[in-house]
Amino acid sequence: GAVVSQHPSWVICKSGTSVKIECRSLDFQATTMFWYRQFPKQSLMLMATSNEGSKATYEQGVEKDKFLINHASLTLSTLTVTSAHPEDSSFYICSALGTSGSYEQYFGPGTRLTVT
Amino acid sequence: EDQVTQSPEALRLQEGESSSLNCSYTVSGLRGLFWYRQDPGKGPEFLFTLYSAGEEKEKERLKATLTKKESFLHITAPKPEDSATYLCACGSSNTGKLIFGQGTTLQVKP
Repeated sequence: GAVVSQHPSWVICKSGTSVKIECRSLDFQATTMFWYRQFPKQSLMLMATSNEGSKATYEQGVEKDKFLINHASLTLSTLTVTSAHPEDSSFYICSALGTSGSYEQYFGPGTRLTVT
Repeated sequence: EDQVTQSPEALRLQEGESSSLNCSYTVSGLRGLFWYRQDPGKGPEFLFTLYSAGEEKEKERLKATLTKKESFLHITAPKPEDSATYLCACGSSNTGKLIFGQGTTLQVKP
């Protein structure tokens, strides 16, 4: 149980284009999902908290107009990187809260974004 | 300020050589301490949740323990497939989020 998927697993795009990453909870409903970014040999950095049916809450320093998050259903959250630049290249990971009231998060397999 | 610190940063063991990873925390409103395993290029895989001091959990060669200030992940007779980065995270009721340590990268040589 508690399986989270991400699509695509990797993507290469040209500078200036937009890329959408999907995060799905496969066997449970997730009212809250999180988006993280991870640089090589570093720990996870929280970008935003996504709640179903409401606007995402972004961490300080994260550009909300650049990283658009939509959580339209209890099983799907999307992250769109708009007008991507090489510095946006990174490993993006989503997670979902297992149950309401718990802080236990289940992570997706991650998406490797390379902007050329 | 809430903080989670893991040590050592890196650990090399011979197969069968038992050891422990440390996670020290200073978190107000602790709502669980979580251990994850992360393989290169993959998302973290959930291992354990500990909620109160004195609690212990086991899974195969791994055993996690919790005190009021730190948690240990004990690895007994490790195998090469246990090689990975182990992440510790604390749930904070102040922020509603997980606070992650920097991780310990374990390498087990055959």
